Amino acid sequence: AQSVTQLGSHVSVSEGALVLLRCNYSSSVPPYLFWYVQYPNQGLQLLLKYTTGATLVKGINGFEAEFKKSETSFHLTKPSAHMSDAAEYFCAVSGSSNTGKLIFGQGTTLQVKP
Amino acid sequence: EAEVAQSPRYKITEKSQAVAFWCDPISGHATLYWYRQILGQGPELLVQFQDESVVDDSQLPKDRFSAERLKGVDSTLKIQPAELGDSAMYLCASSLDRGETQYFGPGTRLLVL
Repeated sequence: AQSVTQLGSHVSVSEGALVLLRCNYSSSVPPYLFWYVQYPNQGLQLLLKYTTGATLVKGINGFEAEFKKSETSFHLTKPSAHMSDAAEYFCAVSGSSNTGKLIFGQGTTLQVKP
Repeated sequence: EAEVAQSPRYKITEKSQAVAFWCDPISGHATLYWYRQILGQGPELLVQFQDESVVDDSQLPKDRFSAERLKGVDSTLKIQPAELGDSAMYLCASSLDRGETQYFGPGTRLLVL
């Protein structure tokens, strides 16, 4: 079975500081990995995804993530936080049969302080 | 830009009542998903359609939940009877095909009293 663990349910950073949201996964097959963002009372928006190829993936709004197979990690980073980045972030892994089923982590709430 | 549409956005109901949610995926998307997101948790897949066929409903509580996608386009998720524990956000997503990027709608927030 596949699973996702997001370390830290709540992360607080100052505006302009580095953002680091941690995600570890468990998968018996090469995973497809995703980061989604959710603003209050809205659906999920795809930030970035890793399927194959380059392990450093760039996404929207200045976010990027690096797939590290040896560490089974897919941490999300952004060099400089903006107030508009405050939201809930979800890491997800696709189902082992590539049906498209997403298995999500519990989510990390990012707070950005002025 | 094409979007997934859902209605209603909010629904308040009493336990034992029936509720229904509607989803219109992005045009041309063959795969449609219904997820349930309990407050403070990540979404969990309830049911997945490929065109009009169900391909995964392993987490759907079939004694009270039903879902259909009769013409392979829009879809309805029904709960009858609703229970207090059903209070959650219900998200619909669609993708061109299995394994392709999923695009999410705004969700329906359900409160069962």
